[in-house]
Amino acid sequence: AQTVTQSQPEMSVQEAETVTLSCTYDTSESDYYLFWYKQPPSRQMILVIRQEAYKQQNATENRFSVNFQKAAKSFSLKISDSQLGDAAMYFCAYRRWTDKLIFGTGTRLQVFP
Amino acid sequence: DGGITQSPKYLFRKEGQNVTLSCEQNLNHDAMYWYRQDPGQGLRLIYYSQIVNDFQKGDIAEGYSVSREKKESFPLTVTSAQKNPTAFYLCASKPGQGGNQPQHFGDGTRLSIL
Repeated sequence: AQTVTQSQPEMSVQEAETVTLSCTYDTSESDYYLFWYKQPPSRQMILVIRQEAYKQQNATENRFSVNFQKAAKSFSLKISDSQLGDAAMYFCAYRRWTDKLIFGTGTRLQVFP
Repeated sequence: DGGITQSPKYLFRKEGQNVTLSCEQNLNHDAMYWYRQDPGQGLRLIYYSQIVNDFQKGDIAEGYSVSREKKESFPLTVTSAQKNPTAFYLCASKPGQGGNQPQHFGDGTRLSIL
């Protein structure tokens, strides 16, 4: 069975600095998708970034980028120029082509001014 | 604006009572999902539906029931058989099977026991 592991329950970063959140997953599939979702205190789940496993190029969305290491089954999220509004729970998620999303347990990010 | 509407925002259940959480979407999405979120456990899938009049159990379906009579609506009933229903419930939808389309989420319903 596929599993997603986020080994950092909490992280903190100073405003304008860079922080990296870790995610590893376990699968025997070669074709799948990976996602990072953000959940602010309002509790709404917001898509941050997505990555297709067949693409070697790492996805980037403005200040957010990923380091996708397929062989190592690692999918870390880098947030550059951190802002106070980035403070939230961040969830890593895995999905096969037609299958359901499997979430990690989340990392709580605090941003200090 | 297109989106997913969950209601109510807060819900209280008495012992032995069934309660129904509403989820409506106007995104014309085929697939809809229900998740339960407990502290420190991330999101766990309760039920999902890929098309109207069809749905499948997720990882923690016991004590829950759903229906999918309309494309826009996917209500979740928390039955009295669910002994620990206190949690935050999130509904999501997606255009269809496959692809890199992400799930879109509603704002959630917090259910508590009286």
